[in-house]
Amino acid sequence: SQTIHQWPATLVQPVGSPLSLECTVEGTSNPNLYWYRQAAGRGLQLLFYSVGIGQISSEVPQNLSASRPQDRQFILSSKKLLLSDSGFYLCAWNSGGNQPQHFGDGTRLSIL
Amino acid sequence: RKEVEQDPGPFNVPEGATVAFNCTYSNSASQSFFWYRQDCRKEPKLLMSVYSSGNEDGRFTAQLNRASQYISLLIRDSKLSDSATYLCVVIAFNQAGTALIFGKGTTLSVSS
Repeated sequence: SQTIHQWPATLVQPVGSPLSLECTVEGTSNPNLYWYRQAAGRGLQLLFYSVGIGQISSEVPQNLSASRPQDRQFILSSKKLLLSDSGFYLCAWNSGGNQPQHFGDGTRLSIL
Repeated sequence: RKEVEQDPGPFNVPEGATVAFNCTYSNSASQSFFWYRQDCRKEPKLLMSVYSSGNEDGRFTAQLNRASQYISLLIRDSKLSDSATYLCVVIAFNQAGTALIFGKGTTLSVSS
């Protein structure tokens, strides 16, 4: 069966520090991969999605970037975090098209 | 009109009650529909897909009305453990490809 792993679960970072969140999927090949952010009490905001290695689409301009160095690995990064980057970051995958997405456990990021 | 709209609630109901949520969508080209459940500070989890003919899974019934562009979720015999936020998800195909749109969720609180 397919599983999705996301880490770390919780992260506290100072303003201006770099960020790297990692997500990996097992049990499937060539998944579509997604990064979302959910601010407290708000809906899910799609940040990036990828349909293949090295293919990244950005949904909103921001302080973050994403990379997909391997088929089942998706990384969310920032060179310098802002206070507004705080939130709950979720990685998700699906097999494409009209299939539902499945989420990782999420990373709760607090910026101090 | 927002792409996917849900009544945020909260819906406060006693155990054993029947409760229904509606979700409206604006893109008539929408192809697939899902309900997700999100517990506090957790990732969204797929609850059920929504099929044109309507579908049932135990105490949960999902229905789709394409003419009026809404989907619904009915929960019968509510349990305390049903307390969560329920997210409506719509997938539409547009010029950019597949767009998966999440509603902001409806909060349900079941009390004894």
